[in-house]
Amino acid sequence: KQEVTQIPAALSVPEGENLVLNCSFTDSAIYNLQWFRQDPGKGLTSLLLIQSSQREQTSGRLNASLDKSSGRSTLYIAASQPGDSATYLCAVWSENNNDMRFGAGTRLTVKP
Amino acid sequence: NAGVTQTPKFQVLKTGQSMTLQCAQDMNHNSMYWYRQDPGMGLRLIYYSASEGTTDKGEVPNGYNVSRLNKREFSLRLESAAPSQTSVYFCASRGTAQSHGYTFGSGTRLTVV
Repeated sequence: KQEVTQIPAALSVPEGENLVLNCSFTDSAIYNLQWFRQDPGKGLTSLLLIQSSQREQTSGRLNASLDKSSGRSTLYIAASQPGDSATYLCAVWSENNNDMRFGAGTRLTVKP
Repeated sequence: NAGVTQTPKFQVLKTGQSMTLQCAQDMNHNSMYWYRQDPGMGLRLIYYSASEGTTDKGEVPNGYNVSRLNKREFSLRLESAAPSQTSVYFCASRGTAQSHGYTFGSGTRLTVV
C-alpha cells in the first residue's frame, strides 16, 4: 500500500528565505507526483506535476524534483513571500492504484 | 472556464436527512473521485469512477452512494446523514495519461446537526 509522508508538518520562515518542503513515498512504482497548494477554507490548486520519467519541473519561483528510486520529492520555494503562506500537499499516482494518495501536508507561514 | 464544478458550496443538514452533492467536469476526463477532508485526517477517498458506467469504493465508503450519470457528472449521495459526516467534500477528475494530474472542485462544506 502506497504511503505518503510530508515533513515537516509545519514551517515558519521570514520573508525572503528560500525553503524546501519534503515528500516521501513507500512504493516507487509511480506514474506521477503532483504538488498542490491549499489556502484556509479553500480548495486544492495544482502547482506542479512531475511524471515518473522526469527529474524536475519548474514554475516561477517553484521547483519540484523527483527521485523515484529513493521515493522522495522536494518542493523548493525561492524568495518566499507572505502570499506563499498556505498548506502544501503532495500526491502520488501509483501503478498499483486507480487513485492518487495524499500526504498530510506542510503548513507554511511566511512572516513579513 | 474549464474545470470541476461542485454544488452546493455550503449545506446544513439535520441528522437523518438525505442530500446529493453534485459534481461536473468539462475536461473530458475519464476518472472522477470524491474525497472528504477532516482536520488531522487529511484527504480520504470515498468513492471513485474510473470510467463512465463504473464505480468503486475507496477508503471510507460507508454511509455514501455514488452515481456516474454520464462522463461529465459524478454525484455523491448521503441517504441518512450523521454528525460524523460533517466534513468538507471535494470532487476531482483526471485524464488517463501520465501527464494528467488531479483537478479539484472548490468543495462543499457540510454540517450535520
